[in-house]
Amino acid sequence: SAVISQKPSRDICQRGTSLTIQCQVDSQVTMMFWYRQQPGQSLTLIATANQGSEATYESGFVIDKFPISRPNLTFSTLTVSNMSPEDSSIYLCSVGGQGHGYTFGSGTRLTVV
Amino acid sequence: QQQVKQSPQSLIVQKGGISIINCAYENTAFDYFPWYQQFPGKGPALLIAIRPDVSEKKEGRFTISFNKSAKQFSLHIMDSQPGDSATYFCAASSDYGGATNKLIFGTGTLLAVQP
Repeated sequence: SAVISQKPSRDICQRGTSLTIQCQVDSQVTMMFWYRQQPGQSLTLIATANQGSEATYESGFVIDKFPISRPNLTFSTLTVSNMSPEDSSIYLCSVGGQGHGYTFGSGTRLTVV
Repeated sequence: QQQVKQSPQSLIVQKGGISIINCAYENTAFDYFPWYQQFPGKGPALLIAIRPDVSEKKEGRFTISFNKSAKQFSLHIMDSQPGDSATYFCAASSDYGGATNKLIFGTGTLLAVQP
């Protein structure tokens, strides 16, 4: 299975600022997924990112708030924009599907103060 | 229809006992059912997964039982150990034939195995 490196592992940010989270995969993958996990909760899909096309966002998530880049088949970024304390969560990158299962990065623990 | 319902929310089991976590789904297009284990501060790690063409899959102490007609599947952890204490998530997706759809997660079960 793919190995995912996610950076940063954690950050504390001021409200109103933005944070960009990086996800690097050790092999080429077609689809990458970004999830949010609020404290003690399950995982909620933010968007699906395909290389060379616009990300597809789930209901309740918008591009202006969570812009995503997917410049190649091994890398993606998620930006959390104009942060508020409600954005404090763990953000997780995932790859997989197409019969190969889904692998998750270790996550980015974001605290907005 | 996209939901995956998971129970119980929390579970306490004695060392050596059997831990059982249940999930139910509605969408009959789901064809991939994984279980994930998550320790605090870590991302979810794939534990075991099953497709609907089999009713049971076993890997070591972990077994998935799958009931297609009831649209239910469960995780059994045999001889539970304190190191199994973690949060477990069931999930489902439509992944047939290379077409990948999103993975839908259950609400999670916090398992505590007492020594």
